[in-house]
Formats: sequence, structure tokens, C-alpha cells
Amino acid sequence: GAGVSQSPRYKVAKRGQDVALRCDPISGHVSLFWYQQALGQGPEFLTYFQNEAQLDKSGLPSDRFFAERPEGSVSTLKIQRTQQEDSAVYLCASAPSGRTDTQYFGPGTRLTVL
Amino acid sequence: GDSVTQMEGPVTLSEEAFLTINCTYTATGYPSLFWYVQYPGEGLQLLLKATKADDKGSNKGFEATYRKETTSFHLEKGSVQVSDSAVYFCALRDDYKLSFGAGTTVTVRA
Repeated sequence: GAGVSQSPRYKVAKRGQDVALRCDPISGHVSLFWYQQALGQGPEFLTYFQNEAQLDKSGLPSDRFFAERPEGSVSTLKIQRTQQEDSAVYLCASAPSGRTDTQYFGPGTRLTVL
Repeated sequence: GDSVTQMEGPVTLSEEAFLTINCTYTATGYPSLFWYVQYPGEGLQLLLKATKADDKGSNKGFEATYRKETTSFHLEKGSVQVSDSAVYFCALRDDYKLSFGAGTTVTVRA
């Protein structure tokens, strides 16, 4: 079946612009995660949803970052007033249910802030 | 907090050579351990995992054993192929949150 999809795959923004990154998880997956991967580094946890509830947002770098999953399926990561340090690959992952299931990753969105 | 340290790359090997990528972890409890792989142009894929001490994860000829006494989870493959060229990430799971190492780039030459 279809895996996790993300759009856009590439995004270039001027500093100060707002961006929205979309994640379509695997159908029926309850858990959804966002990670940030800087160049040459491993992914770092940003936030976790179980259905529509955001249970953990401790990894969001600042209050410019906001994530939502209003109907418990598609999720959007929004970054306001982008800065150069926000340049990274943003990865979305989903899992069937529960906290210990294997996470399935999407291809990522590469954000470049000029 | 919990963290993972893995061998720095890049690593370049000839086909049929033996591959080892070292990974050690720091954790307060007994996390599950994972190796993920990222092939060129593709997303992260789970390669193998182990959920408790002395468990051995294996897949596609790769193996790793969860060693509590040395807090390690080294990845090994006896005979690599060109198609194994990728970036390999060691990770641990603390509850639902994955913590990754920095990744090791492996290039296999024919």
C-alpha cells in the first residue's frame, strides 16, 4: 500500500516568510511524528500526535513552529517568519498505534531559507 | 537525556568486504535499539531492531546484537554489495521518541 507522503518535496523561502509542510500518513495510522534533520546530522524529534491530540511538542525549536492534525490524519507543520537556521529536511513518520510500534518515514521536505 | 553515538564516516569499501559500524548508547533504562538506512534519494527505512538485551536483529544480511554490558549495538555485514551504499543511522527509542546518531555514509565500490 501507499507509504507516508510529504509535500512539497522541496521548498525555498526567503527569510521572514511563513511556510507550511504537509504530511499524509499511512492510512489508519494513529501515531504521527515530525523530525528535523540538519545537514550531516541525524533526525531530531519535534512533535508527536496520537490521532488529533498533540501529546508532545517538546522538540519544537521555538514558538515560530506550530503543528496540527485536526482530523487525526493529515498533519501540517507550519513555520512562521522563517530564519536561515530553519533550513533542514523535515521528516514525517507514522505508526499503526501505540507507543512502541515501528515508525514509517516519509521522503521528507527539504526547506532552504535564503 | 538518552543519546546515541555512532562511528563517523565516510566509510569506503570494496565489494564483498566486511562492514562494521560501531554504535553505543547512553540511556537511563533499557531502550529498544534500531538501525535505519537511507538509500540515495529515498526516505529512512527500518533495517533491523532489537528490543531487549542479547537480542539479535537481522535483515538483508545485516546483523546487530543488543549488548547491555557494553551499551552497544554494532552493525555488521559479512559481504557488502554495491547496492548497500547508503547512510546508516543508529537509533534508540525512549517511549515513543526516537533519538538518532549522526549517520555513517557507506560507499561500496565494485
